[in-house]
Amino acid sequence: DAGVIQSPRHEVTEMGQEVTLRCKPISGHNSLFWYRQTMMRGLELLIYFNNNVPIDDSGMPEDRFSAKMPNASFSTLKIQPSEPRDSAVYFCASILRGTYGYTFGSGTRLTVV
Amino acid sequence: ELKVEQNPLFLSMQEGKNYTIYCNYSTTSDRLYWYRQDPGKSLESLFVLLSNGAVKQEGRLMASLDTKARLSTLHITAAVHDLSATYFCAVDDSGGGADGLTFGKGTHLIIQP
Repeated sequence: DAGVIQSPRHEVTEMGQEVTLRCKPISGHNSLFWYRQTMMRGLELLIYFNNNVPIDDSGMPEDRFSAKMPNASFSTLKIQPSEPRDSAVYFCASILRGTYGYTFGSGTRLTVV
Repeated sequence: ELKVEQNPLFLSMQEGKNYTIYCNYSTTSDRLYWYRQDPGKSLESLFVLLSNGAVKQEGRLMASLDTKARLSTLHITAAVHDLSATYFCAVDDSGGGADGLTFGKGTHLIIQP
């Protein structure tokens, strides 16, 4: 298995632009998580899905952030409009519920200038 | 709100020495994870501790869990430079439901020759 695949690896965008981050979970995993990592706040859970359904989005910082999971093999995290304070590394992780192995993707480093 | 506290947050040590990283958490969870992160990289799973008294070892690293004290430790024996990284502990408080991890702030470990 190729693991959890995220794209792009790096994204530089101007303030006000829309940014879309993508994630492909491990085949067969039925829960998917989006995390954000910053120096100040560490690793924060933004939102997670079970069987493609959003369960808890209480970690999403603002309405500018939205996430979707249209099918079991794809999820997106969108920021519109982006702001410099959104600069961070965004990780996607997946797991098969009932097991213990959370697997993280390589992350997307987002820079908003 | 679940809190996970690691200490120390920064540790500089010499090769060959022993040291312990501590992870305290505020819930009754019995699922405790340790991850390693190298600069610019993703999170690499080290250990999953699933019950009180669990102890796991891999090379020079040993992790233990005391659910009554809500404490996990990561012990480094005879440190070598290759172990330099940031180490995170994380707690899954979902009682088996896999509802995501709450992370500590991380311990930035530098091992000097």
